[in-house]
Amino acid sequence: GAVVSQHPSRVICKSGTSVKIECRSLDFQATTMFWYRQFPKQSLMLMATSNEGSKATYEQGVEKDKFLINHASLTLSTLTVTSAHPEDSSFYICSPVDGDTQYFGPGTRLTVL
Amino acid sequence: DAKTTQPPSMDCAEGRAANLPCNHSTISGNEYVYWYRQIHSQGPQYIIHGLKNNETNEMASLIITEDRKSSTLILPHATLRDTAVYYCIVGEGNYQLIWGAGTKLIIKP
Repeated sequence: GAVVSQHPSRVICKSGTSVKIECRSLDFQATTMFWYRQFPKQSLMLMATSNEGSKATYEQGVEKDKFLINHASLTLSTLTVTSAHPEDSSFYICSPVDGDTQYFGPGTRLTVL
Repeated sequence: DAKTTQPPSMDCAEGRAANLPCNHSTISGNEYVYWYRQIHSQGPQYIIHGLKNNETNEMASLIITEDRKSSTLILPHATLRDTAVYYCIVGEGNYQLIWGAGTKLIIKP
């Protein structure tokens, strides 16, 4: 099956710092990437959709200047949480798409102190 | 809003069949029923999907009612590793964009 990696798997940072999360599709090329976040005991919520080489489309209520998404290649996408605050603490999951099949990364647990 | 309704939690004894219900009374004719599960602090894992016929794979069986307004995911011989949150999602495309609360399934020894 398709392999998706996320790095780091968990990160703790101080309030005000920026954190970059990498998502790689190891054995396929992802033309589309979805980014989700999941707060404790809640379901996945779609944050944004990006296509390789294009600007990401953000869901309502998600600040594009705070959550920077780069999808510069078909195997790598990054999500940068800028000036993180405690309310940004969450589980972030990338979801690359290969053709008509959606895969999911293992997730990154972000804790902002 | 999610178009499905699932019980918030269920228990099942290890070795028994786990039957997880899902209501999707507003499903349209070209929408599929997808099931995923999420083990604690991991990404979602695809289980199975179907349109109107019952489906079976190495993980589970999916039973869809004739009117397609509800379905049941069956894990035939549940193990402790099947403890997870199970999500039932309906949609036309192949991408799962709206997730409901799911059912927390606890397998007990």
